[in-house]
Amino acid sequence: DAGVTQSPTHLIKTRGQQVTLRCSPKSGHDTVSWYQQALGQGPQFIFQYYEEEERQRGNFPDRFSGHQFPNYSSELNVNALLLGDSALYLCASSANTGVETQYFGPGTRLLVL
Amino acid sequence: AQKITQTQPGMFVQEKEAVTLDCTYDTSDPSYGLFWYKQPSSGEMIFLIYQGSYDQQNATEGRYSLNFQKARKSANLVISASQLGDSAMYFCAMREGPRRDDKIIFGKGTRLHILP
Repeated sequence: DAGVTQSPTHLIKTRGQQVTLRCSPKSGHDTVSWYQQALGQGPQFIFQYYEEEERQRGNFPDRFSGHQFPNYSSELNVNALLLGDSALYLCASSANTGVETQYFGPGTRLLVL
Repeated sequence: AQKITQTQPGMFVQEKEAVTLDCTYDTSDPSYGLFWYKQPSSGEMIFLIYQGSYDQQNATEGRYSLNFQKARKSANLVISASQLGDSAMYFCAMREGPRRDDKIIFGKGTRLHILP
């Protein structure tokens, strides 16, 4: 049973560029949430997708956008990258019913130079 | 105001001893959920335990238990018989609201070091 997978594992970009991060949820899960974790901090909620729609959003600018596909996988897009966007980006998946747990992927480490 | 407070930035504990990691939370919503996660140096967040605000019993999962004191808004994680592999960052988190799609807010974490 595959867990949550994310790609790429590491990424280096320069200011002003755009980046796309990908996430495949755990088998049986239909909800995907994205988090940004800066060094030494707890994860900060970016947004959540269910049934291909964004249903919750944290305090992040519109430069952060996402998408969910019919197979429940998801993408996080960040435009006009800033140095402060350097962080570990975590994807978490959960099921809309049953036991309430949220499983995280290994994350994508983004460095903006 | 912080919603989740973890007052211990770091802790050192001897192997095989029990550990209590503190977490207090702040919400006016009567329905919420509390989570604990472990994050090793590899970065992956590992789910440990969940407690719902209406659960009467404290949650337990193997060596992990959650000491839920609702009136004090406290949700401490207890690890029994600590092991070297327990060394990691530990995060307390809260889903504020009754819906599964309500946002989950994390604390700043406690770094636990288990000494041999």
